[in-house]
Amino acid sequence: QVTLRESGPALVKPTQTLTLTCSFSGFSLNTSGTSVSWIRQPPGKALVWLARIDWDDDKYYKTSLKTRLIISKDTSKNQVVLTMTNMDPVDTATYYCARIPPVRDDSGYFLYFFDSWGQGALVTVSS
Amino acid sequence: DIQLTQSPSFLSASVGDRVTITCRASQGISNFLAWYQQKPGKAPNLLIYAASTLQSGVPSRFSGSGSGTEFTLTISSLQPEDFATYYCQELNSYPHTFGQGTRLEI
Repeated sequence: QVTLRESGPALVKPTQTLTLTCSFSGFSLNTSGTSVSWIRQPPGKALVWLARIDWDDDKYYKTSLKTRLIISKDTSKNQVVLTMTNMDPVDTATYYCARIPPVRDDSGYFLYFFDSWGQGALVTVSS
Repeated sequence: DIQLTQSPSFLSASVGDRVTITCRASQGISNFLAWYQQKPGKAPNLLIYAASTLQSGVPSRFSGSGSGTEFTLTISSLQPEDFATYYCQELNSYPHTFGQGTRLEI
């Protein structure tokens, strides 16, 4: 059974750095084709993809937030960490981590989709 | 970045209705599109991937179609538990943009 769980501070002050941890079980981030992404959702608004880390340590970031984000993994601990610097009240949101499973199409190319999600962690940015 | 536009943004329907939600991409994304359902206070749940492949465990009343720039999610006969918000997501390139959502209400 695949599970993911986000953890981190519920409240951060403006200009501080946010560190969120995604702890997962039921799969390995050493498996070819497996990835973990971070997604956030401001209250009452749509989902926003933030970052992704692949089994081979390739990393991808939302263009407009690239200078503020760092994603990393610790495969021995089954964890993925997202760091976001210079937090602002507009960054108030529920932050989710999600898995991309190693599924290929008939041609052998990896398909991408988020099949398992954590329950989310609400982070409020306020002084 | 690829933009996704869902329509409608809000949809009022009744149990038993057939509904269709459209997702248009600003440029071609082949079939790298997924659909999710989200209920209030919950994480999204995967319904469809690769534009038309039903995720395991998802009822067969859900179906997806399309390729390139235009995609649809169809619910053949609405059930009470289907009233939720639906999102499309493109996974052809970075960032993996989500649509703005379609809220389906009674």
